[in-house]
Amino acid sequence: AQSVTQLDSQVPVFEEAPVELRCNYSSSVSVYLFWYVQYPNQGLQLLLKYLSGSTLVKGINGFEAEFNKSQTSFHLRKPSVHISDTAEYFCAVSPSGSARQLTFGSGTQLTVLP
Amino acid sequence: DTGVSQDPRHKITKRGQNVTFRCDPISEHNRLYWYRQTLGQGPEFLTYFQNEAQLEKSRLLSDRFSAERPKGSFSTLEIQRTEQGDSAMYLCASSSSVHTEAFFGQGTRLTVV
Repeated sequence: AQSVTQLDSQVPVFEEAPVELRCNYSSSVSVYLFWYVQYPNQGLQLLLKYLSGSTLVKGINGFEAEFNKSQTSFHLRKPSVHISDTAEYFCAVSPSGSARQLTFGSGTQLTVLP
Repeated sequence: DTGVSQDPRHKITKRGQNVTFRCDPISEHNRLYWYRQTLGQGPEFLTYFQNEAQLEKSRLLSDRFSAERPKGSFSTLEIQRTEQGDSAMYLCASSSSVHTEAFFGQGTRLTVV
């Protein structure tokens, strides 16, 4: 079984400042890692994913994430945020090698302040 | 490719009534998932289909819940005798054998009054 912990439920940040959203996971098997974004009353949109290989992955909208196996973390970063980045962000894992169901964290609400 | 489509987007029902939601996956995606998301929480897995076969069901899926995917295309999720605790966003996602990620629909928000 897998579990995901998103360490911050809310992150306020000023526009053009950098941001890091933290995610830790637990699993007895190898996993794939994902970050999704959800805007109000919308479904989830994939930001980026880690499958294997380079531990630094780049996604859409200028986001990137780094996989750290020893710390079982997959933190999401953006060097300069915009107002439009205000949304809920979810970290998720699934067992690697299959398209099994995702296990999500409880989410981090990113609020970008003018 | 119009993405995953869910209908209706919103549903308000009285406690005790039955409701049915529909999900149309991305064409040619053979895998379909249902998730439930309550306020302030991440989505929780409910069930998974590969083609028309329902391969996994979460223990969250009580006997009041049933899901089908006839002919391996669209899927329906029915909730019988709804309870206030069923109020949530119900999300559908699909993927193919070659994709490692799931593509989500916009969800159906259910309110039980």
